[in-house]
Amino acid sequence: AQKITQTQPGMFVQEKEAVTLDCTYDTSDPSYGLFWYKQPSSGEMIFLIYQGSYDQQNATEGRYSLNFQKARKSANLVISASQLGDSAMYFCAMRDSTDKLIFGTGTRLQVFP
Amino acid sequence: NAGVTQTPKFRVLKTGQSMTLLCAQDMNHEYMYWYRQDPGMGLRLIHYSVGEGTTAKGEVPDGYNVSRLKKQNFLLGLESAAPSQTSVYFCASSYWGSGNEQFFGPGTRLTVL
Repeated sequence: AQKITQTQPGMFVQEKEAVTLDCTYDTSDPSYGLFWYKQPSSGEMIFLIYQGSYDQQNATEGRYSLNFQKARKSANLVISASQLGDSAMYFCAMRDSTDKLIFGTGTRLQVFP
Repeated sequence: NAGVTQTPKFRVLKTGQSMTLLCAQDMNHEYMYWYRQDPGMGLRLIHYSVGEGTTAKGEVPDGYNVSRLKKQNFLLGLESAAPSQTSVYFCASSYWGSGNEQFFGPGTRLTVL
């Protein structure tokens, strides 16, 4: 069965430092997509970054990069130069060939000055 | 473009009452989804639709029904609300294909007393 695991319930990082949020996945489907979403305290879901299973290079979007290690089935999110506004819940999700999105339980990131 | 909108934003029901949540999108997306978010559990898929007139069950469909009579609208119904259905409900939509992000609505906070 497809599954997303986020083992860090909470993370702290100092402003301007980099932080890595862990995500591992389990699927037998050769074609899938991996997503990261941010949920601030206001509640909306904000798309951050996407990695396809056949993509050779790691995805990057501004300060966000996705460290994709296919053999290990991991898709960690790296946020460089953290900002106070990065404090939020972060969800890793996987979309399989049936187009359903499966979410992990999330990691709460707190950025302190 | 308004994106994905949800009506209502908040609702309080008594056990046994019924209600319908409305989701509308103006991006001409084929796919639409309903999720619920409970503390510590991430988002879980209730029902989804891959096109007008079609619906399918997700991970937690019991107690809910859906309809997609028009491409831009996806309705979620609770026929007899239960306290276990107290949650935040998110609607999302996307284009076809595993590489396409899902766009989320702002959520509906439902409390069942």
